[in-house]
Amino acid sequence: AQSVSQHNHHVILSEAASLELGCNYSYGGTVNLFWYVQYPGQHLQLLLKYFSGDPLVKGIKGFEAEFIKSKFSFNLRKPSVQWSDTAEYFCAVIQTGANNLFFGTGTRLTVIP
Amino acid sequence: NAGVTQTPKFQVLKTGQSMTLQCAQDMNHNSMYWYRQDPGMGLRLIYYSASEGTTDKGEVPNGYNVSRLNKREFSLRLESAAPSQTSVYFCASSESGLTYNEQFFGPGTRLTVL
Repeated sequence: AQSVSQHNHHVILSEAASLELGCNYSYGGTVNLFWYVQYPGQHLQLLLKYFSGDPLVKGIKGFEAEFIKSKFSFNLRKPSVQWSDTAEYFCAVIQTGANNLFFGTGTRLTVIP
Repeated sequence: NAGVTQTPKFQVLKTGQSMTLQCAQDMNHNSMYWYRQDPGMGLRLIYYSASEGTTDKGEVPNGYNVSRLNKREFSLRLESAAPSQTSVYFCASSESGLTYNEQFFGPGTRLTVL
């Protein structure tokens, strides 16, 4: 079965620090990849997604992610975090043609002003 | 546009009681989903409906039933609640079941089963 691993459970950073959150998946076929974010008290919302083409994907609020097929990874990055980036971040993977979107366990990011 | 709405926001049940969680979307989406979110587990798919009139099991369907009432509404029913069903339940919808489509999520229902 597919699995999605987010090894960082809780990350604490100061404002202006750089961010990288890891995401690895187990499926070897063609996949579509997503990063969702859940701000405190809000809905899950899409940050960015990859389905084909350029493996470096840019999303909202200055986030980007790089799909490295050989490493089964889709790490999320931001060069300079802000206090407003405090949230929980979820990586999700779906096999092309399937219906089941598999989520990682999430990474809680706390940004200290 | 309200997006995806869910009722109720909170619910406490006793073991063995039944209840229905309601979900509606106003984006004219074809596909709808029910997930549960447990601490340390991420979100797991319970059931989905690829289009009006169809429903299919996801990763954790046991103890649940669903109804796709019409294109807008997709309900989740617990016939006999168990403490293991204590969780936060999210409904989501997407334009279609194509895998690159973004899913839009509702605010969640926090359910406690005593």
